[in-house]
Amino acid sequence: NAGVTQTPKFQVLKTGQSMTLQCAQDMNHEYMSWYRQDPGMGLRLIHYSVGAGITDQGEVPNGYNVSRSTTEDFPLRLLSAAPSQTSVYFCASSRDRNEKLFFGSGTQLSVL
Amino acid sequence: RKEVEQDPGPFNVPEGATVAFNCTYSNSASQSFFWYRQDCRKEPKLLMSVYSSGNEDGRFTAQLNRASQYISLLIRDSKLSDSATYLCVVTSNTGNQFYFGTGTSLTVIP
Repeated sequence: NAGVTQTPKFQVLKTGQSMTLQCAQDMNHEYMSWYRQDPGMGLRLIHYSVGAGITDQGEVPNGYNVSRSTTEDFPLRLLSAAPSQTSVYFCASSRDRNEKLFFGSGTQLSVL
Repeated sequence: RKEVEQDPGPFNVPEGATVAFNCTYSNSASQSFFWYRQDCRKEPKLLMSVYSSGNEDGRFTAQLNRASQYISLLIRDSKLSDSATYLCVVTSNTGNQFYFGTGTSLTVIP
């Protein structure tokens, strides 16, 4: 069982570069979400989706875009990377917004 | 006011000890409750869901107190392998988000 697959595991960017973090799940989950985790801050929601074609902003959406063209995939795009976006990013999915979340293995991103 | 609050600890306990964590939530409409475990630099993993009647899984017991708006996690007979950060997670029937506490750090000492 693959579960939630998140790539890459590590990434270093220069300020101003763009990139896409990939997230895919094979559990037919409707709910998918992206979080960032910084020391002392806990997990903060960036964007989420309750189904294909539907996305919404979370607590810290600035500088990030998402799309949900299929049930399986929920990529996160950094438009113009900034040092403040240095963080660990997690993708997560669940059957619906009140069921348990399954997490990807995380992406450690450094922006220089 | 934060949706979910946890004592960050750290809790340092000897092997075999019993330790309890509490987590308070602010929204009385909160619907689902979970405890997750997170090891250093790894993804959070579900430890257990929390049900209104309370539930137990081996050495772990979770309880929900809706009147006082908190959930608790009790770990009995602590093992070295229990060392981790424990996150409480709450959902609301009025929104589409999962709300995370900042986590409680536990270190079990030999």
